[in-house]
Amino acid sequence: DAGITQSPRHKVTETGTPVTLRCHQTENHRYMYWYRQDPGHGLRLIHYSYGVKDTDKGEVSDGYSVSRSKTEDFLLTLESATSSQTSVYFCAISEPGGSTDTQYFGPGTRLTVL
Amino acid sequence: QKEVEQDPGPLSVPEGAIVSLNCTYSNSAFQYFMWYRQYSRKGPELLMYTYSSGNKEDGRFTAQVDKSSKYISLFIRDSQPSDSATYLCAMSANTNAGKSTFGDGTTLTVKP
Repeated sequence: DAGITQSPRHKVTETGTPVTLRCHQTENHRYMYWYRQDPGHGLRLIHYSYGVKDTDKGEVSDGYSVSRSKTEDFLLTLESATSSQTSVYFCAISEPGGSTDTQYFGPGTRLTVL
Repeated sequence: QKEVEQDPGPLSVPEGAIVSLNCTYSNSAFQYFMWYRQYSRKGPELLMYTYSSGNKEDGRFTAQVDKSSKYISLFIRDSQPSDSATYLCAMSANTNAGKSTFGDGTTLTVKP
């Protein structure tokens, strides 16, 4: 497995509470991504980062913010969790170059918002 | 309408069968086509990658891209129980894999 860890792996929280998910990599890859995966919607990009303090929005960014203060860590924050944010969240990393920059995915965080 | 449509499955086949997994797409700008395999409760892993039209073979796996029909396929020969997983197609217009659009996935079960 690529050196990607996500924490926590499982979390149950209540509507309105803030939640932060962490992605940590040991590969020194420049690009990092946050996706959510839901039945009937596949994988959808939330936010991504092209370097330290360099982030941008993806397809479904509303209600989420991110921060990247170190190459190895990419944090996803739900400022005020809602039930619609119940999902499985995957972090991915890639390094540009070659014919395509292959993405490596973490093990996922299963989040339930009650 | 979604940019990428994938046969929803689920698909159940006996061991040794040939499996065909398919996706169609509407964005003619897509040039890079990927297949990911995702085991239950795990993250996706890249299985096959193809640029533009044509075929690519890797062991028991063959990826086909027909850009004129906007149709891609993944064939698995001599399927094994260890192939039981969800298969996701993904495609992008450039080399930045993070800008890929994913299909919803097809869940495959190979029965011994």
